[in-house]
Amino acid sequence: GNSVTQMEGPVTLSEEAFLTINCTYTATGYPSLFWYVQYPGEGLQLLLKATKADDKGSNKGFEATYRKETTSFHLEKGSVQVSDSAVYFCALSASYNTGNQFYFGTGTSLTVIP
Amino acid sequence: ETGVTQSPTHLIKTRGQQVTLRCSSQSGHNTVSWYQQALGQGPQFIFQYYREEENGRGNFPPRFSGLQFPNYSSELNVNALELDDSALYLCASSSPRQTEAFFGQGTRLTVV
Repeated sequence: GNSVTQMEGPVTLSEEAFLTINCTYTATGYPSLFWYVQYPGEGLQLLLKATKADDKGSNKGFEATYRKETTSFHLEKGSVQVSDSAVYFCALSASYNTGNQFYFGTGTSLTVIP
Repeated sequence: ETGVTQSPTHLIKTRGQQVTLRCSSQSGHNTVSWYQQALGQGPQFIFQYYREEENGRGNFPPRFSGLQFPNYSSELNVNALELDDSALYLCASSSPRQTEAFFGQGTRLTVV
């Protein structure tokens, strides 16, 4: 079956620190991988994605590389800001002829302190 | 291009009641999926509609049902509400040609 396991939080970092949030997956077939971000009281926003092995998704300084050999999609950012404080969800998408279904991890809460 | 919109944003219901949540999909998207996000958890897939038919369902009981209309908007209905149904309900729209889905802001349902 399909599932996602991500690093549990909460994570607290000082501004300008390096961020890594680990994510591993189990999937049948060839899923696409995503990181979504959720700010308090809001829905999910797509942060980045990768659709095949060795692809690197990047956005707003965040990066993640689709590693098929380790079934991983770890999120990294070299220098976090206070505005990055949010909950981050790793997800995989299983595609069907009619659309895609998402499987999410439990989320990692990040707090960045000045 | 309009985004995914959900209504209402917040709702309080009593145990045993019924509720209907609504979702307008993004322009050009004919697939709508519904997810339940309990507090502190990741979203869980409820079901998906494509061209007005249910196409895929997660591990949710039959009292969770839905509809999709010709304009691809959708409703989620929950009967006989239970306290554990309290959650954020997210709607996502997509099309078969895309890998990602676009999520609405969600409806926060509280069952008391």
